[in-house]
Order: sequence, then structure tokens, then C-alpha cells
Amino acid sequence: GENVEQHPSTLSVQEGDSAVIKCTYSDSASNYFPWYKQELGKGPQLIIDIRSNVGEKKDQRIAVTLNKTAKHFSLHITETQPEDSAVYFCAAPKSLGAQKLVFGQGTRLTINP
Amino acid sequence: GAVVSQHPSWVICKSGTSVKIECRSLDFQATTMFWYRQFPKQSLMLMATSNEGSKATYEQGVEKDKFLINHASLTLSTLTVTSAHPEDSSFYICSARGWGGTDNEQFFGPGTRLTVL
Repeated sequence: GENVEQHPSTLSVQEGDSAVIKCTYSDSASNYFPWYKQELGKGPQLIIDIRSNVGEKKDQRIAVTLNKTAKHFSLHITETQPEDSAVYFCAAPKSLGAQKLVFGQGTRLTINP
Repeated sequence: GAVVSQHPSWVICKSGTSVKIECRSLDFQATTMFWYRQFPKQSLMLMATSNEGSKATYEQGVEKDKFLINHASLTLSTLTVTSAHPEDSSFYICSARGWGGTDNEQFFGPGTRLTVL
């Protein structure tokens, strides 16, 4: 089964700077990698995802990169704003073709004004 | 689109009572719904997977007789915590996956905070 490791556990950046969160996975057959943002007291919200047939995907200030050889994928947030402060989770399928997701441990991102 | 709701958003109950949490997909039909549990400052832990019209499958270590799941329609799944105890206090979150959705894509509800006194 899949194992997902996420780093760092906490990240503090100045407003306007970039933030990068990295996840590694164990199953080379995994083909779907979503990122979720969770604000305090709320459910996770899908912010971006990437499939194994592409190496990078971008949506405004958010981008995700995938390195299949090294089995890691990263979330990049540019021009950070205070509202980006939240906990971010990466995930990967529990096994090939599985509907279940395995989540990383989470990264608490704090944007300092 | 892809909105998932949960009710109630929070509940406080006495030890020994049962609590039912509803999860609804508002604008799509959910073939599969997932129930997660999240303790403070921790990640999401999958409890069970429910498919419409069939029995839920539970993750290892999750007591199926304690956490009853019913997925009676394509838009509604319920989780009942039976004989709740203080250690069941947690944040319960559901997610749903719909017809024609891309593989693995899940949409989460806002969560239900359960406090057992």
C-alpha cells in the first residue's frame, strides 16, 4: 500500500514570499496527487491536483510539480497572502486504481504580514 | 458544483448515547462516500468507505458495530456513533465521489465536531 510523507510540518513565510511544501510517496504506480487546504474548524478543500501524465500544473498563484522518478510532488504558492494561512495536506491513492486516498501528515502554513 | 454538506456542524452528547451525522452531496450523485476522523493537529484518518446500496467497508481497527454507516441513496450517507464515550470526541468529516468524476477525486464536507461528555 501507499505511504505518503509530507514536509515540513510547519512553515512560516513573509507575506509576498513563496512557500513550498513537499511530499514523497512509495508506490511508483500511483497516478493521482491532490492537494487540500484546511482552514481551522472546516473540512479540507481541494485546491489543485496533478496526474502522473504531466509534470507540472498551475492555477494562478498555486502550482504543483511531480517528479515520478524520485517519487515526490510539491505544492508551490507564490505571492503569499494572509488568507493562505491554513493546514495543507497532500494525498495519493492507497493503491493503483483505488478510490481511497492516503494523506500526508499536514503542513501548517503561517503567512506573516 | 461538487458541494458536500454535513449536519450537524457540531454536537454535544452525554456518554452512552448515540449520535447520527448526515453527509449529503448537494449537486451531484455520490456513488461512493468516505468517512474520516481527525484529532486535533493530526491528519485525516479514513474510517470507512460506503457505496450506495451496499454495506460499508471499514478500515482496520475501526469497529463496525460502533460506527454504523448507511448509504441509502446516491446523495445521502449517515454515520451513527453508538454508545458514544469521551474518547469518541473528534472531528468527523465525510467526502464524496460522484458519477463520471475523474478517478480518485473527492469532495469534502465541512465536518462535524462531536464532543462526548
